[in-house]
This record gives sequence, structure tokens and C-alpha cells, in this order.
Amino acid sequence: AQSVAQPEDQVNVAEGNPLTVKCTYSVSGNPYLFWYVQYPNRGLQFLLKYITGDNLVKGSYGFEAEFNKSQTSFHLKKPSALVSDSALYFCAFDTGTASKLTFGTGTRLQVTL
Amino acid sequence: SQTIHQWPATLVQPVGSPLSLECTVEGTSNPNLYWYRQAAGRGLQLLFYSVGIGQISSEVPQNLSASRPQDRQFILSSKKLLLSDSGFYLCACLDRGLRTEAFFGQGTRLTVV
Repeated sequence: AQSVAQPEDQVNVAEGNPLTVKCTYSVSGNPYLFWYVQYPNRGLQFLLKYITGDNLVKGSYGFEAEFNKSQTSFHLKKPSALVSDSALYFCAFDTGTASKLTFGTGTRLQVTL
Repeated sequence: SQTIHQWPATLVQPVGSPLSLECTVEGTSNPNLYWYRQAAGRGLQLLFYSVGIGQISSEVPQNLSASRPQDRQFILSSKKLLLSDSGFYLCACLDRGLRTEAFFGQGTRLTVV
């Protein structure tokens, strides 16, 4: 079955340090890949997407992600973390037919002073 | 831009009672619509999706049903709630016109007692 995997339940990082939240995919064809963020008791907010083209995608709030086809990965990165980045992050995919938008299990990011 | 209205924000219902959660969308036509459930602040489980009026696809067998009586209205229902139906329910909308990211409602926290 097609899926995305987020191997880390939680990532801890100090403010000012770079952060990486991992995502790998198992999707046939050319997947559309996304990152979303969720703050407590709220809906999800879109961060960035990869559809085609440049493998490095830049998104909201200084986040970026790199599509790596050989490693089937789409890791989320930020050069310098902020305490306000603390939230739940979801990787997601759909197959371009726009019917099923499927999410990973989520990674909780905790940024401390 | 798209706006999703989801209500109520919180709901406490007794076991065996019926359920109706409503989601309406503004700012787009003929969107794909989704219902997700999130348990304990973790992963999102896709419950139903719809690509058009009256077209509902169910992802998991369960005590819930969905309907799309109008283009921008998506309803999640149950005839008799179970304790296991408790969770955070999110409605989402995806427009393949100019943009490919999904927009989410603010969610409904359902507690079945």
C-alpha cells in the first residue's frame, strides 16, 4: 500500500539550532508531497509542497524541504529553530488525481530555549 | 481564498445518541472534500472523501457515514455513537484549480460519554 512514514515521534532541538523532521515515501508514479503543521486544538496549516521541478522547495515560516527520489525522502528543514515552531508536523501525499490525501503519523517538534 | 466552516467546535454526546457534524466551504467550486479523525493529538485517519455531489468513498469500516448533499457541504453522521467514536474530527477541502494544497477547518472535538 502507498504511504508516507515519519520515523520519529518527537524531535527536540534548541532554539537557534537547525532542525530536520524526517519523511520517507512509498508511492508509485510521481507523488505530490506536502508538509503541514498543527498547533494545539487547531486544524492543519499548509507549509510547502513538491509537485515537480526543483528538488528544494521553500515554504512558509522559513521552512524548506528537499525531495530526494533516490532515497524516497522528503525531509523538512529549517536553518534556525524558534520556540514558536513547536507543534505537530505532518508529511502527506496524494497521487495527483486529487482523490485521496493521506497523512503520516506526525512528528512532534519541541524547541527549547 | 478558500474558507472552511466546521461546527460545532466541541461536542459531548452520550453513547447511543446520533451525530451530525457539518462542514461548509466558501471560495471554491467542485472541491474534493475530506473527513479525518485524529486520536489523542496524533495521526490523521482518513474516514471519507468525496469528489462530487453524492459521491462518497469510505476508507475504513466504522460506525460513521458521510453525505454530500450540495457541492460545498459535507456532513458526517452516526445513528448510534460508540465510546470509540471520541476524537478530533477535521474537515478538509482541496481545489485542483489553481492550487494543490488542502485547507482545513478548525476541527470538532467529540467526546462520547
